[in-house]
Formats: sequence, structure tokens, C-alpha cells
Amino acid sequence: EAGVTQFPSHSVIEKGQTVTLRCDPISGHDNLYWYRRVMGKEIKFLLHFVKESKQDESGMPNNRFLAERTGGTYSTLKVQPAELEDSGVYFCASSPLRLGSGANVLTFGAGSRLTVL
Amino acid sequence: GEDVEQSLFLSVREGDSSVINCTYTDSSSTYLYWYKQEPGAGLQLLTYIFSNMDMKQDQRLTVLLNKKDKHLSLRIADTQTGDSAIYFCAEKGDAGNMLTFGGGTRLMVKP
Repeated sequence: EAGVTQFPSHSVIEKGQTVTLRCDPISGHDNLYWYRRVMGKEIKFLLHFVKESKQDESGMPNNRFLAERTGGTYSTLKVQPAELEDSGVYFCASSPLRLGSGANVLTFGAGSRLTVL
Repeated sequence: GEDVEQSLFLSVREGDSSVINCTYTDSSSTYLYWYKQEPGAGLQLLTYIFSNMDMKQDQRLTVLLNKKDKHLSLRIADTQTGDSAIYFCAEKGDAGNMLTFGGGTRLMVKP
């Protein structure tokens, strides 16, 4: 079974430019999450998709960030325009949709490192 | 929001036991997790524990949960150099599926 794949693995851009990160979840996983780790700090939640719908986007820092998951398969996270403080590692994770409140075991991708100069 | 705290760094000698600690604030936590991140890799789930349990053992790993003190620990027996990585503690509340992570503890194993 293929895992969660993310592209690119590393992106270096200048302040003001646009970057789009892509995540391909495990096939059949309806839950898709974006997380971010900035400057070695905690991994912070950005948003959660269930299929193509945004279930929770309370962690999105501002309107420069736009996440989409058209068709409920892969997802993109666009940062436009990028600022210096956006630098960090962006992780994508997926999990199957389960009824009830059981353990939600997330499978993570390797992350996309974003460096904004 | 809820917080999860971990110490930044732990250094042990090969063959010793490692104990990584974590504290959290969410009194409605239902599950607590330990993830491992090796260099250049994603987060790998090591183990998780239901909040009604106080201990879970899986081979060299022992998870202890003190729900009253909101304290979670991960003990790695007979630590090997391959255990060197960053270990993240995470918790899931009773509402929604979101996990809240700590800042990670970097474990260095000296030969």
C-alpha cells in the first residue's frame, strides 16, 4: 500500500512569491489533514478535510493560505503571497473515516519543507 | 487552546532505558499517541493509548499514563542507535478528529 506522498519535498522561494504544495493521501482515506511545524516548534494543525469538504479550518493562519481537495482525492495548499514566517515543514496526514469516537490513527507524509527568503 | 509540552532533548547511552515525558492540558483527552520522526522522513506512529488505560506495553516500548496529572511517558528499553529520532506526543480530545502535538523531544543515543 502506497503511503501519503507530498510534493515538493523542499521549496525555496522569495517573499511575495506563490507556492503550491500537494498531498496524495492513502487511497480510500476520506480524512485529510494539513499540519505545519515552524522553526522546530510544535506541529500545529492547519485544517481537516472529510472527502472534499473542509471539516475544520480553524488552524489556517490567514487568508494567504488556501487549501483545496477537489474530488476528494489529492489536496493542494497554496500560499500566496508567501511571507518569511511561512517557512517551515508542512505535513499532510490521512486516515480512514470511522463512525464513533475511536482512535484516529493518522498516517503522515514526509513533509514539504518551505523556505521563504 | 489545548497545550502539549515536552522537553526538547534527551541523551542516553546505547543499552540504557530512555524515558520521554509529556504533559497535556486537555481534560477531555480520549487518546494519546507517540509518533517518531527520523531525519528526512514523516511521522511514524509508534503506539497510542486510550485514556481509560494507565499502561500499554509493546515489545521495547512502555507507555504510562497518569490521567489525574495529565502526564504521559514513553519508555524505550535497551535503547539502540536506531532509536535516535524526534519523538512527538499528541492527544485527541472528545470532539472532532484533530490531534494536538507537542514540540517533540530529540533523542540522541550514544554508542
